[in-house]
Amino acid sequence: AQSVAQPEDQVNVAEGNPLTVKCTYSVSGNPYLFWYVQYPNRGLQFLLKYITGDNLVKGSYGFEAEFNKSQTSFHLKKPSALVSDSALYFCAVRPSNDYKLSFGAGTTVTVRA
Amino acid sequence: SAVISQKPSRDICQRGTSLTIQCQVDSQVTMMFWYRQQPGQSLTLIATANQGSEATYESGFVIDKFPISRPNLTFSTLTVSNMSPEDSSIYLCSVEGVWTEDGTSTDTQYFGPGTRLTVL
Repeated sequence: AQSVAQPEDQVNVAEGNPLTVKCTYSVSGNPYLFWYVQYPNRGLQFLLKYITGDNLVKGSYGFEAEFNKSQTSFHLKKPSALVSDSALYFCAVRPSNDYKLSFGAGTTVTVRA
Repeated sequence: SAVISQKPSRDICQRGTSLTIQCQVDSQVTMMFWYRQQPGQSLTLIATANQGSEATYESGFVIDKFPISRPNLTFSTLTVSNMSPEDSSIYLCSVEGVWTEDGTSTDTQYFGPGTRLTVL
């Protein structure tokens, strides 16, 4: 069975400061890892993914994430947060040989001006 | 990525009734899925919609309660039957395997905007 843990329900940062949203996972075999963002009353938007290759992946809106196999982590980062980054962020994982995604509980990010 | 639309975007229904949600994609896709997001919670996979055959349901979800159709590679419906207030959720359609111009398909799930259902 696969699972995702997002240890922080909420993350609060000031605009211009670095933003980190944590994610750890458990999966059999090689993981496919994803980050999605959900704005109020909207569906999920894909941000970035790790499939293979370089451990540091870059995605939309200046976000990046680093795959760490030894720590089974895939933390989402942004060097300088914007107020418009305030949203609900989901980490998701699936094994490379299965299409079923498992989602974390989500982390609410609030960026204050 | 594909453009995914859902209808209706929201609805308020009476208990005991049924609602059918439509999901339309602007290109052919290999796989289509239906998720439920209960208030304040994460996403739970309801089923995989299979073209031309019965959907594959996850544990805790049954066809009588959530019948699903997928008549072609761009369209699917989810019906929430005999609704109760516990069915109040956001229902999301997602797709994977969007065919690109070079003949490859993506390995990423893309989500529709969701249908916000309130059952009174």
